[in-house]
Parts: sequence; structure tokens; C-alpha cells
Amino acid sequence: EAGVTQSPTHLIKTRGQQVTLRCSPISGHTSVYWYQQALGLGLQFLLWYDEGEERNRGNFPPRFSGRQFPNYSSELNVNALELEDSALYLCASSPPQKTGYTFGSGTRLTVV
Amino acid sequence: SQQGEEDPQALSIQEGENATMNCSYKTSINNLQWYRQNSGRGLVHLILIRSNEREKHSGRLRVTLDTSKKSSSLLITASRAADTASYFCATDNPGSARQLTFGSGTQLTVLP
Repeated sequence: EAGVTQSPTHLIKTRGQQVTLRCSPISGHTSVYWYQQALGLGLQFLLWYDEGEERNRGNFPPRFSGRQFPNYSSELNVNALELEDSALYLCASSPPQKTGYTFGSGTRLTVV
Repeated sequence: SQQGEEDPQALSIQEGENATMNCSYKTSINNLQWYRQNSGRGLVHLILIRSNEREKHSGRLRVTLDTSKKSSSLLITASRAADTASYFCATDNPGSARQLTFGSGTQLTVLP
């Protein structure tokens, strides 16, 4: 069984640019979660999508957004990139009504 | 803010020894989960303990939960060099809408 897959694995962007990160959940998992792991700040919850709807949002500005597609894959978009957006972005998925997430390997975003 | 706080921040032991990591949290929980992360990569779910459970085992892992003290411990027995990683506790809190709150992690180094 394929795990949670994220793309790309690494990305370098310039301040002010926009970026899209992608996540494919495990087959049968309907929920997708996004977390940011910035150096020195630990893992911060970004977004939870379930059945195509945004169910919960962490304490991040509106330039962080995303969506979930009918096949349950998800995108995370970050507009107007700032240097402090440099981080490892982790996607996780879970089956319906379950916690205990399966995480992907993450996308390492560097903003210069 | 981070609810779970791990102790110690770093732990170095010899192969074959046991490693104990502690996690404290501040508010009530539905469950507490432990994750492992190798070198800034994705997180691996290790074990989930529910608020009405006191102890749980999985292979060489033993997790305890004391809700009166709002604390949990992760014991890894007979450690191996391959156990070298960062270990995080994460709490699932009532009303949090699937938003896991992660601690800052314990960096475990197992010396061969």
C-alpha cells in the first residue's frame, strides 16, 4: 500500500512568489492535514480537509490556503512568500472518524 | 502554543540501554500520540493511548499516561542505533477539531 506522498520534495522560492505543494493521501483516507515545521517553532497545525471541505484552520494568515479534490488529494498554496515561511511542510491523512495520522515525508521549502 | 512539552530535550545513551522520554500537557485530552522523526523527514506514528488508558505496549515501546498529572512517558527498551531520531508527543484535545498539538520533541541518540 502506498503511503502519503508529497511533491515536490524540495523547493526554493524567492520572497513574494507563490508556491503550491501537493499531497496524495493513503487510499481510503478521506481526511488530509497540513502542518508546518519551522526551525525552532516545532510542528504547527495549518489546515484540516475532510470530504472536500475545510474543517479546521490553524493560526496562520489568509495567504496560506488550500483545497481538497474529489479524489481526496490536496494542495497547499502559499502566496506572497516571506522568509519565515521557510520550513518543512508535512501532510498527513487519516481514515474517516479516526486519528492517528500517517504522515508523508514532507516538502522542504526554502524562501530566499 | 505548544501544549505538549517533552523532557529531556536531548538524550544520549548506549545501545542496549533503555530510553525514557516524558511529555507534559496542560489541558484535557481525548488521546495522546507519540511520533518519531528521522532527520527532518516525515513523522512516523508510534502509538496512541486514549485518555481512559494507563499503559500501552507495542514491541519495544511502552507508553504510560497519568491524566491526574497530565503527563505521559515513552520507554524504548533495548535501544538500537536505528532508534536515533526525534520523538514527539502530540495531544488530541476535546473540541480541537482534529488539531493535534505537538510538543517540541526529544532528540534521542543511541551510540553503537
